[in-house]
Amino acid sequence: GEDVEQSLFLSVREGDSSVINCTYTDSSSTYLYWYKQEPGAGLQLLTYIFSNMDMKQDQRLTVLLNKKDKHLSLRIADTQTGDSAIYFCAVIFSGGYNKLIFGAGTRLAVHP
Amino acid sequence: DAGVIQSPRHEVTEMGQEVTLRCKPISGHDYLFWYRQTMMRGLELLIYFNNNVPIDDSGMPEDRFSAKMPNASFSTLKIQPSEPRDSAVYFCASSLPYSEAFFGQGTRLTVV
Repeated sequence: GEDVEQSLFLSVREGDSSVINCTYTDSSSTYLYWYKQEPGAGLQLLTYIFSNMDMKQDQRLTVLLNKKDKHLSLRIADTQTGDSAIYFCAVIFSGGYNKLIFGAGTRLAVHP
Repeated sequence: DAGVIQSPRHEVTEMGQEVTLRCKPISGHDYLFWYRQTMMRGLELLIYFNNNVPIDDSGMPEDRFSAKMPNASFSTLKIQPSEPRDSAVYFCASSLPYSEAFFGQGTRLTVV
């Protein structure tokens, strides 16, 4: 079936790196996204990666894609208190006509 | 464009009442998604439309839920009759094909 899984919580110290992991079931997925949700707000796109890429870097963000293991990760370097939020992995499933499925979200807590 | 607009932002209703949530997608977007977010189940895809036509409603939890998209600029999600377990934040999102989904601010529904 169509499933996207994430761990639910991550706690890091300010200044450290955060790594949020995601696994998905569809090996043919072409488009993979990371969204961020701040308290009381909707989701906003943080970054994305296409399946023909292994890595994408955007300032403090690094996305790694392991297609063989169907594993996606988001690394945030020099994590700040303002990075505290819920991070969602999202995948467009190939069979599905642009069907966008989200993981449950990882709540990142950054402490001094 | 003002982005995806949802109304109301908050809704409190009594069990058994009908609830209608509204969404105006971004002009020109072909796809419209309805999601439900709860602590227990994360972000669930309820239904999505392409060019006003429902493509997949397999996420709609029960017959009490229905969604319509009478034209390209308006969609509704209706719950009749509502139950306390329907309490959640309901998000609408819209997108172009295989592109970033833009989310509204959500409707926080409380059924008492």
